[in-house]
Amino acid sequence: SAVISQKPSRDICQRGTSLTIQCQVDSQVTMMFWYRQQPGQSLTLIATANQGSEATYESGFVIDKFPISRPNLTFSTLTVSNMSPEDSSIYLCSVFVGTTYGYTFGSGTRLTVV
Amino acid sequence: AQKVTQAQTEISVVEKEDVTLDCVYETRDTTYYLFWYKQPPSGELVFLIRRNSFDEQNEISGRYSWNFQKSTSSFNFTITASQVVDSAVYFCGGGADGLTFGKGTHLIIQP
Repeated sequence: SAVISQKPSRDICQRGTSLTIQCQVDSQVTMMFWYRQQPGQSLTLIATANQGSEATYESGFVIDKFPISRPNLTFSTLTVSNMSPEDSSIYLCSVFVGTTYGYTFGSGTRLTVV
Repeated sequence: AQKVTQAQTEISVVEKEDVTLDCVYETRDTTYYLFWYKQPPSGELVFLIRRNSFDEQNEISGRYSWNFQKSTSSFNFTITASQVVDSAVYFCGGGADGLTFGKGTHLIIQP
């Protein structure tokens, strides 16, 4: 099973600013996934990040709002841009680690926009 | 596109009762994977099980068991002799690359 370190664990941000969330995996993985979990809701896939190519965004999410970087096989960042209170959520990164453990998730970044 | 339905928003049972959480997964894909995750109040996501679409064999792991029926698109999860520590939100999810999750079932085990 992989270990994912996600930073920051939480932040309170002013509306109109941007926050970059980092995700570090202790092993090389082809795909990394970013999810959003709004308060009291389920998880929604934002995008898939492949090393060496543009991220693939799900319906309802755009690159201008959620730019993603994937500079190598163990690291990715998600930026939440021009934040509004509606962006207050938990953001999680995830990787697929094989048939035994499925997808492993980071501990999440709890974002509050004021 | 995939659709995951967890019709039970909240279930409350008394400790030691058996409880089944329902999940229906709809997709046009012929090959896919199904998952169950537990999210306790602390917030982390705990992996419980992964099934392949071509494997309908039921599985038992301790007090947990899973029943996958492709014909009805159901992937149900049963906890036998429930315990207070089982209290959490349980998410069913499916997909091949990245997961689509259901809305979750909040399970409350009362002592």
